Amino acid sequence: QVQLQESGPGLVRPSGTLSLTCAISGDSITSDTWWSWVRQSPGKGLEWIGEIYHTGNTDYNPSLKSRVSISVDKSKNQFSLILRSVTTADTALYYCVRTPGFCSSTKCLIYFDSWGQGMHVSVSS
Amino acid sequence: DIQMTQSPSSLSASVGDRVTLTCRSSQYINNYLNWYQQKQGKPPKLLIYAASTLQSGVPSRFNGSGSGTDFTLTINSLQPDDFGTYYCQQTYITPPYTFGQGTTLDIK
Repeated sequence: QVQLQESGPGLVRPSGTLSLTCAISGDSITSDTWWSWVRQSPGKGLEWIGEIYHTGNTDYNPSLKSRVSISVDKSKNQFSLILRSVTTADTALYYCVRTPGFCSSTKCLIYFDSWGQGMHVSVSS
Repeated sequence: DIQMTQSPSSLSASVGDRVTLTCRSSQYINNYLNWYQQKQGKPPKLLIYAASTLQSGVPSRFNGSGSGTDFTLTINSLQPDDFGTYYCQQTYITPPYTFGQGTTLDIK
């Protein structure tokens, strides 16, 4: 059974950089699945941040793309999120998620089947 | 971005009831629609993917249907454990994957 665990600072200063890591157990980062970050806040609900494949291919939410980076560390079986120039609007519960899917030649039907417990991050001075 | 609209925003029902939750997308999304249940203090749990495929381990009283822009999640014979907030999500036109705002289900 796959388990995901987020870790990182729970408090980030405005204009600073949010950095989180997701440790994977029960599955390999190199398996045939994408890995995503999702955040949840009272004001915005559930918001997909971005995803990565173990080859390093990434997709990002256009609303965050200029500030986000997601990377993979195969040796540690984990992936990471960096969000730069944070504001109070980035205060949220951050989840890492396994996102497998079924792919045709043109599209992939993706679903989010395993979630970490979440990491609350506050942006405050 | 594709907008996902869920209705109602909240409802109360009794154990044994049949309840239907609705999700509508702002554009055609084929059957690329997932449903999640979230309980307070917990992450969302996948119930149904591809509009109607039950995730492993999910009780068969959960049923998803629909295609195109209109989708429903039906819970047959509601159980006390079924309270929580239900979200739909589209994964057809991406990025980004988008979620609905949720329907909160209370058990009377």
